[in-house]
Amino acid sequence: QSVLTQPPSVSAAPGQKVTISCSGTSSNIGNNYLSWYQHVPGEAPRLLIFDNNKRQSWIPDRFSGSKSGTSATLSITGLQTGDEAVYYCGTWDNSLSAWVFGGGTKLTVL
Amino acid sequence: QGQVVQSGAEVKKPGASVRISCKVSRNIFNAYHIHWVRQVPGQGLEWLGVISPSRGSTGFPQNFQGRVTLTKDTSTATVYMELSRLTSHDTAIYFCARDAVASDPLTYGMDVWGRGTAVTVSS
Repeated sequence: QSVLTQPPSVSAAPGQKVTISCSGTSSNIGNNYLSWYQHVPGEAPRLLIFDNNKRQSWIPDRFSGSKSGTSATLSITGLQTGDEAVYYCGTWDNSLSAWVFGGGTKLTVL
Repeated sequence: QGQVVQSGAEVKKPGASVRISCKVSRNIFNAYHIHWVRQVPGQGLEWLGVISPSRGSTGFPQNFQGRVTLTKDTSTATVYMELSRLTSHDTAIYFCARDAVASDPLTYGMDVWGRGTAVTVSS
């Protein structure tokens, strides 16, 4: 059971938009910065978004992040088949004194 | 620039320990904290701990304290993760990853990841 809650899977057609939610508490998302990671099995995870909504310089602007209170959202527009991966949210948890991740959301581009 | 390179796959018996290395680019070795994260098959990412190579200080989640040891070798710019008392549940891919911001660790996440080290625990 992950500290941060994500939907197990989402899917959409190429060119469409998808959103992935990440829910936590005041001990984690509510008072710390959130980051988002893309993980293709067999490869190294990639940091997409940090500081809630800032993209890594090489990440296209199709990817965006937002945060409100104890929840956050990753949005991907103009879906491509190459976006198929598992997406994780992560942040520091003040109560656990530990970095925590969501359970991951598998994106399927139909 | 800012690379981390991990050691190769390991096969261990239950009850044994495994030590994985993570060689860090010299130009960043003392600047950035290094995290360890694992992915058990079929499960999500799990944080195992963090080390400050410059100070040698470490931090662990409660469920891994006493079982994970993080060390560093400044002469080779390498950090090590040792996991003891292995069980089949420790079969996973283990990643080392650089903290994203040298001046403000444990805040912004991990921006450079190794390719992972597969550890299989089997009798």
